[in-house]
Amino acid sequence: DTGVSQDPRHKITKRGQNVTFRCDPISEHNRLYWYRQTLGQGPEFLTYFQNEAQLEKSRLLSDRFSAERPKGSFSTLEIQRTEQGDSAMYLCASSLEGPLSVSRGYTFGSGTRLTVV
Amino acid sequence: QQQVKQSPQSLIVQKGGISIINCAYENTAFDYFPWYQQFPGKGPALLIAIRPDVSEKKEGRFTISFNKSAKQFSLHIMDSQPGDSATYFCAAASTSGTYKYIFGTGTRLKVLA
Repeated sequence: DTGVSQDPRHKITKRGQNVTFRCDPISEHNRLYWYRQTLGQGPEFLTYFQNEAQLEKSRLLSDRFSAERPKGSFSTLEIQRTEQGDSAMYLCASSLEGPLSVSRGYTFGSGTRLTVV
Repeated sequence: QQQVKQSPQSLIVQKGGISIINCAYENTAFDYFPWYQQFPGKGPALLIAIRPDVSEKKEGRFTISFNKSAKQFSLHIMDSQPGDSATYFCAAASTSGTYKYIFGTGTRLKVLA
């Protein structure tokens, strides 16, 4: 197991275009999170999946954002009609629900850096 | 009430010195407090974490001190090394429910050789 994988690592897009990011969590992890990190700030929670169910969405996640986790495996985050304010690092993390999971915390991927020009 | 306040914003320490980063929270429902280390271009990596039933946890050169009554916790890096130069984030979470993290704003640590 190589950890949490995110693709692409970098994405430059023109304002108004749609973009989609992919996250492959650690295989046995049933919890999956998306966070957004802007320069000089801590990551901010966007959404949470337990298996295939999306159980929580932040108010940061406008109608232009949608996330899926079909079959409880990989996840995608789509941003429609991108705006310059969407430029950020989008981080995916996974964890395993259970008594030991708390001590192990999340495992983050290396993120997808989005630049909207 | 959901905020986690972190200080200082940046820190410069001589090699071999002690680095101290402080965090404070307000939500008493938080019961898990991890610290993450992040290098440029990488995702955050878990360094050490504590639950509020203990006041201190040590792993190698890294120690978390936790003050439940003051709702504060801190990271101490002993014998700081140039390789510790990174950005450090504290976070807080409630382990009931979604277990989402609320992160602090980060501390950029530079350890001088």
